[in-house]
Amino acid sequence: DTAVSQTPKYLVTQMGNDKSIKCEQNLGHDTMYWYKQDSKKFLKIMFSYNNKELIINETVPNRFSPKSPDKAHLNLHINSLELGDSAVYFCASSQGRGGRTDTQYFGPGTRLTVL
Amino acid sequence: KNQVEQSPQSLIILEGKNCTLQCNYTVSPFSNLRWYKQDTGRGPVSLTIMTFSENTKSNGRYTATLDADTKQSSLHITASQLSDSASYICVVIPNYGGATNKLIFGTGTLLAVQP
Repeated sequence: DTAVSQTPKYLVTQMGNDKSIKCEQNLGHDTMYWYKQDSKKFLKIMFSYNNKELIINETVPNRFSPKSPDKAHLNLHINSLELGDSAVYFCASSQGRGGRTDTQYFGPGTRLTVL
Repeated sequence: KNQVEQSPQSLIILEGKNCTLQCNYTVSPFSNLRWYKQDTGRGPVSLTIMTFSENTKSNGRYTATLDADTKQSSLHITASQLSDSASYICVVIPNYGGATNKLIFGTGTLLAVQP
C-alpha cells in the first residue's frame, strides 16, 4: 500500500487555467506538507497543516490555496496558472509537527507543466 | 547564498567503489541534520537523522557524520551499487523554538554508479 499518494502524477495545462493536486496519506500522521521542487532540484516548503490547521505558510502567491478536509488529505489548488509554476510538487506527512526527529514521508510527486 | 550547500554537484563512480558527499550549512541555531535519497521521478526518502549532539549515524552501507562546530556533514557510501544512483540531499532543521520547524534543503548531489 502506498503511504503517501498524489494525483495526478503528471499535469500539463495552459497558462491562466485553474488546477488541483490531491494528496492522501494512510499512515495516520497528524501533519501534512506541500513542497515545490524547481528545475534546479531545490525543494522548498510551501504549506504545512497539523490536524487540519495551517501551521506553516511560506511566502507563496495567493493563487495557491491548500485545503485539508481531514487530517489524511491535503489538496493544493492553484488559480490562474503561470509559466513559473512549472515544477514538481511533493506532498509529505509526518507524525508530529516537524520537530527534532520527526521523519517526513514524501509522496511520488506531481510534475506540473504550464504551457 | 543557500543556507545548505552541497558538494560535489554531481559524481560518477564505478560499482563497488566508495564515495563521500559533503554538506556545509550556516543554519543557526541548529536542531538536527538529515540525509535524504531521491531516486529519479520519486519523492525523497530519509536515510539518516542526527541531532546536534551526535557525530555519526549509520544505515546499512550509508554512514553520515556531523561536526556541529564546523557546521559540516558528510555521507559516506560503501561498496556502491547501481541502485545507489540517485540524488542525495542534505537537510537541516533549525531550532527556532516551539514544536514546528521547517526543513531547509540543500540542492543535492547527483550520484551515478556505473557498472
